Amino acid sequence: AQKVTQAQTEISVVEKEDVTLDCVYETRDTTYYLFWYKQPPSGELVFLIRRNSFDEQNEISGRYSWNFQKSTSSFNFTITASQVVDSAVYFCALSEPMNSGYSTLTFGKGTMLLVSP
Amino acid sequence: DTEVTQTPKHLVMGMTNKKSLKCEQHMGHRAMYWYKQKAKKPPELMFVYSYEKLSINESVPSRFSPECPNSSLLNLHLHALQPEDSALYLCASSHKAGDSDTQYFGPGTRLTVL
Repeated sequence: AQKVTQAQTEISVVEKEDVTLDCVYETRDTTYYLFWYKQPPSGELVFLIRRNSFDEQNEISGRYSWNFQKSTSSFNFTITASQVVDSAVYFCALSEPMNSGYSTLTFGKGTMLLVSP
Repeated sequence: DTEVTQTPKHLVMGMTNKKSLKCEQHMGHRAMYWYKQKAKKPPELMFVYSYEKLSINESVPSRFSPECPNSSLLNLHLHALQPEDSALYLCASSHKAGDSDTQYFGPGTRLTVL
């Protein structure tokens, strides 16, 4: 069975601080996909990134960066120079290869990030 | 454009009412999903439609009835709900890319059952 653990329930930082959100996963599949979603107070889940199990390159997108390490089954997310608009709940999720044209996501419990001015 | 729209944004209903939630996407995606999300919890999958056929029903009570009239629309019909059904209902869609996809979510409908 698949499992995603986000051990940090809530993180509070002051604007401009860097912050890392941890994600650890468990799966028996050799091919799998990892995701991060952002959920602001408005409720919409916003897709941030997808990474497949064969691509361990770190990725940077503006102030966001992701560190994927298969050896430790982790897919951590760092926000550099955090801003108030980054305040949200962040979910890490895992899926296996699709069948029948759809996928199923296993979500972590989420980390609430509060960025204060 | 990765937009999934949902109406209404908010819904308050009594336990004897019948209402429907609507979801629409025009991205050509062939899989559509309904999720239920309670406060401070991750989304829970309810139903999956793939190519307009119901593929997954996660043991959801029959007071929730999904419908996929065409590849762009997904409805969730509600009848005789209970107060514990109050939650954020999220719709998502996805399209196969290789052997995976990415689910794109709508803004959700906040449902309150009185």
